[in-house]
Amino acid sequence: GAVVSQHPSWVICKSGTSVKIECRSLDFQATTMFWYRQFPKQSLMLMATSNEGSKATYEQGVEKDKFLINHASLTLSTLTVTSAHPEDSSFYICSAIYGRGGSNYGYTFGSGTRLTVV
Amino acid sequence: GDSVTQMEGPVTLSEEAFLTINCTYTATGYPSLFWYVQYPGEGLQLLLKATKADDKGSNKGFEATYRKETTSFHLEKGSVQVSDSAVYFCALRAGGYNKLIFGAGTRLAVHP
Repeated sequence: GAVVSQHPSWVICKSGTSVKIECRSLDFQATTMFWYRQFPKQSLMLMATSNEGSKATYEQGVEKDKFLINHASLTLSTLTVTSAHPEDSSFYICSAIYGRGGSNYGYTFGSGTRLTVV
Repeated sequence: GDSVTQMEGPVTLSEEAFLTINCTYTATGYPSLFWYVQYPGEGLQLLLKATKADDKGSNKGFEATYRKETTSFHLEKGSVQVSDSAVYFCALRAGGYNKLIFGAGTRLAVHP
């Protein structure tokens, strides 16, 4: 249980175009989801927290106009990288909270999306 | 602010060796502590967790004990296997907040 499906697993796009990454909770309702960025051989950097039906909360230094996050339903959050440039190339990972309020509270992670901007 | 510090890697071991990956934290209140594992090209998987002082999390032969007095949550395994080769992340969730704060990660390479 508590599975999050992230698509696509990898994408190559041209500089200046936009790319959308989807994160779906398959067997639970995800009120809160998180988006992380991971550089090679480095830790996960939290980009933003998204709550269903409200605006995302971005971490300091993350450009909200470049990384658009939409969490319109309890099972889907999307991250759109707008006007992508080579420096946006990275591994993006989504995460969701499951079991809130119960003893089985935890975090589940998507398998990640490798974005390469050429 | 809240933070997690992990020992730098890579850690290279022979199969069946003993593993320790150190993790210390700084947090206000009483955080929950986690160890996650990331295999190449994949997302993170929860390895174990502990939610209060003196709790011991365990899974797949790995163990970690929540030590409030030393603000530590060191990961241990008595006998590692080649299949344990991965990156291990220590993380905390501060009380009252939803987000996880991760350490830098420690790469483990186990050789036959």
